[in-house]
Amino acid sequence: AQSVAQPEDQVNVAEGNPLTVKCTYSVSGNPYLFWYVQYPNRGLQFLLKYITGDNLVKGSYGFEAEFNKSQTSFHLKKPSALVSDSALYFCAVRDMAGGGADGLTFGKGTHLIIQP
Amino acid sequence: DVKVTQSSRYLVKRTGEKVFLECVQDMDHENMFWYRQDPGLGLRLIYFSYDVKMKEKGDIPEGYSVSREKKERFSLILESASTNQTSMYLCASTGGSYQETQYFGPGTRLLVL
Repeated sequence: AQSVAQPEDQVNVAEGNPLTVKCTYSVSGNPYLFWYVQYPNRGLQFLLKYITGDNLVKGSYGFEAEFNKSQTSFHLKKPSALVSDSALYFCAVRDMAGGGADGLTFGKGTHLIIQP
Repeated sequence: DVKVTQSSRYLVKRTGEKVFLECVQDMDHENMFWYRQDPGLGLRLIYFSYDVKMKEKGDIPEGYSVSREKKERFSLILESASTNQTSMYLCASTGGSYQETQYFGPGTRLLVL
């Protein structure tokens, strides 16, 4: 069975500083990995995904994520945080070994708070 | 742009009522999903559908059923609502390739009294 862990319930960062939101995963095959962001009372918005190829993936709003197969991690990063980045972030995984168009497995989410 | 819409943003129902949540997507996607989101638990898959009239149970199907009579529409049904079904419900859709992104609707916040 596939699983995702986001070890931090909340991450606090000062505006202008770099930010990292951590994610580790467990799958039996090779993973497809995704990051989503959710603003209050809204649905999830897609940020970026890793399918194959370059381990550094660039996405929306200046975010990027690095796939590390040996550490089974897919941490979300941004060089300089903005107050508007404050939101709930979800990491998700789909196992390529799985059959059928089944759903994603999500982590429990990390609240990112950017302080002015 | 992909658009996934849900019939209601907020719903208040009473215990025992039958509840219908509707989801429509406009991208001709084969696959559609229903999740529920609860604080501290993330998103959990209730049911999904990979074709018209086809459905598969997700991780937490108990107390729910679904219907997919048309490709663009996927309905979640609570046959007899209970207070523990108070939650945020999110619909998503995606194309047929495993690589494709799931796109989400705005969510329906359901309160069962």
